Amino acid sequence: RKEVEQDPGPFNVPEGATVAFNCTYSNSASQSFFWYRQDCRKEPKLLMSVYSSGNEDGRFTAQLNRASQYISLLIRDSKLSDSATYLCVVNAMNSGYSTLTFGKGTMLLVSP
Amino acid sequence: GAVVSQHPSWVICKSGTSVKIECRSLDFQATTMFWYRQFPKQSLMLMATSNEGSKATYEQGVEKDKFLINHASLTLSTLTVTSAHPEDSSFYICSARDWASAYEQYFGPGTRLTVT
Repeated sequence: RKEVEQDPGPFNVPEGATVAFNCTYSNSASQSFFWYRQDCRKEPKLLMSVYSSGNEDGRFTAQLNRASQYISLLIRDSKLSDSATYLCVVNAMNSGYSTLTFGKGTMLLVSP
Repeated sequence: GAVVSQHPSWVICKSGTSVKIECRSLDFQATTMFWYRQFPKQSLMLMATSNEGSKATYEQGVEKDKFLINHASLTLSTLTVTSAHPEDSSFYICSARDWASAYEQYFGPGTRLTVT
């Protein structure tokens, strides 16, 4: 089982749509969780951290379920500029170091 | 916010040559730097973790003699791909973490390496 698994993409949605991404992780000792955004041929950029209580940042809502080892990202009112690959990222201690493990990413394409 | 630069942004080299990639933290001191590799349509894979002044810790399957990492100062880490081959062609991304941050990493813009 892969350490971090995400929905296969791409997701093609019209502007204004609501889209949800799912992610599961295998390491129950994982400590913190993030969603990153990566544009084509660019470095990943932190979109938001994910907390058990759920958190919202504008049109973006992230949820974490530790019992199910499941993370989600909801994007409301999609914009053209939301087109990118969304990476689910999990942080855990590994041999004494804090390391990030990236999912493969789910590509989102928002069309006019 | 914290800025990390990489140089060069892209490089084309011939098979058998060596390539050095620099990663710099511009406005903070990076006690730990990470080197990732990303093949097309794949996730970022951690290659190694380096702490300033000590030897890098390589992930399983990454050859330390082929991918030489030096983290000689708190603002600079280098990755040298020795005797590069076409299968080493990839997007190499570094990230840096300062002493105050437990988890957050700041990513460089990446270096696209093509070996012909």
